[in-house]
Amino acid sequence: EPEVTQTPSHQVTQMGQEVILRCVPISNHLYFYWYRQILGQKVEFLVSFYNNEISEKSEIFDDQFSVERPDGSNFTLKIRSTKLEDSAMYFCASSVEGSETQYFGPGTRLLVL
Amino acid sequence: AQSVTQLGSHVSVSEGALVLLRCNYSSSVPPYLFWYVQYPNQGLQLLLKYTSAATLVKGINGFEAEFKKSETSFHLTKPSAHMSDAAEYFCAVRAKAAGNKLTFGGGTRVLVKP
Repeated sequence: EPEVTQTPSHQVTQMGQEVILRCVPISNHLYFYWYRQILGQKVEFLVSFYNNEISEKSEIFDDQFSVERPDGSNFTLKIRSTKLEDSAMYFCASSVEGSETQYFGPGTRLLVL
Repeated sequence: AQSVTQLGSHVSVSEGALVLLRCNYSSSVPPYLFWYVQYPNQGLQLLLKYTSAATLVKGINGFEAEFKKSETSFHLTKPSAHMSDAAEYFCAVRAKAAGNKLTFGGGTRVLVKP
């Protein structure tokens, strides 16, 4: 069964460094999403992406964040200058056009020191 | 705006007993509703969803949920808990025709006692 994959599974970085989290959505899916879950808190929506542009973003998704689909398979989340409060589990998800169901990857656990 | 409330951050059940996880939502437009499960060190897996067809929805692993509009609820049940049901369960809502983002509840961690 096709799956959303994410790399790396864990990343440790220093405050102020740039990080790029990578996702490979399910191949025929056209909608892509990033969510995050700070330890002990709710899963929160960050951004959705369709047709090579952001379709919706939350107030969390400020200028420090960006997304890109650099080729036909990858979908990336970049954090330009990480802060301690960016430490969280980041989930990528994808969905096929016309479906309300989002399929989630296993997540990347980001720790900012 | 939409929101989801899950009553009880932790639930402990005995193996073979009923599992009942509560979810209430608010949404300004008719919603889609979902239950996801997260096993330790894994991602979110869809258990079941309500999309305005039958109000009683059956999902994987013997779980089901009932949409009750009058109560704005979408509680998840399983008649007989199994040790493998130990996980965290998330209720989520998506408003129809109002973007694709999911809004999640706080999650309920289920512990199954032998």
